[in-house]
Amino acid sequence: DTAVSQTPKYLVTQMGNDKSIKCEQNLGHDTMYWYKQDSKKFLKIMFSYNNKELIINETVPNRFSPKSPDKAHLNLHINSLELGDSAVYFCASSQDLGRGGTGELFFGEGSRLTVL
Amino acid sequence: GENVEQHPSTLSVQEGDSAVIKCTYSDSASNYFPWYKQELGKGPQLIIDIRSNVGEKKDQRIAVTLNKTAKHFSLHITETQPEDSAVYFCAASRTGGGNKLTFGTGTQLKVEL
Repeated sequence: DTAVSQTPKYLVTQMGNDKSIKCEQNLGHDTMYWYKQDSKKFLKIMFSYNNKELIINETVPNRFSPKSPDKAHLNLHINSLELGDSAVYFCASSQDLGRGGTGELFFGEGSRLTVL
Repeated sequence: GENVEQHPSTLSVQEGDSAVIKCTYSDSASNYFPWYKQELGKGPQLIIDIRSNVGEKKDQRIAVTLNKTAKHFSLHITETQPEDSAVYFCAASRTGGGNKLTFGTGTQLKVEL
């Protein structure tokens, strides 16, 4: 049973389109994240949600809008896609030390977005 | 904010040799230093971590050392095997956990037969 699952795994689309990536975790974690990994493999945090509440927003353009309907799900919607948005987007979850966890990040397998 | 530098960016070793990856961090308040391994087509996975109250931690062929004074920490892999080939990321956090984790730039390790 996959702990952190995200869909779709691959996404190819034209500039200007709007797309969404969905993420679900079955670990019972309180915190979920979106990370962006570019072509040079740099991993950069975009957003973090704790119990459906946004706690980290790392100067990401307004075209990116995360949404957490419940603490097991964190979706990412991207409007007006640009060439520079091409990357692999990783969803992750963790349970903090103070809440009975270890702080370890559990990543999904990634969603490769290609904007043409 | 925290800045984590990682070296080397690529590392090629012969099977059975040791591999060492080094990281430095800037925030003296950082207290949690995990290492993640990313295999091709997969998400990163935690392989070992160390907290600021210890200087060294070992798990079979993997060890991590931390020098808080110098603000650097290292990953040591002994008796490397082909399955160790992957991208390795160091990271640092002042919250003790996954929140606000700053990653290094990654090291592509290749273990050659």
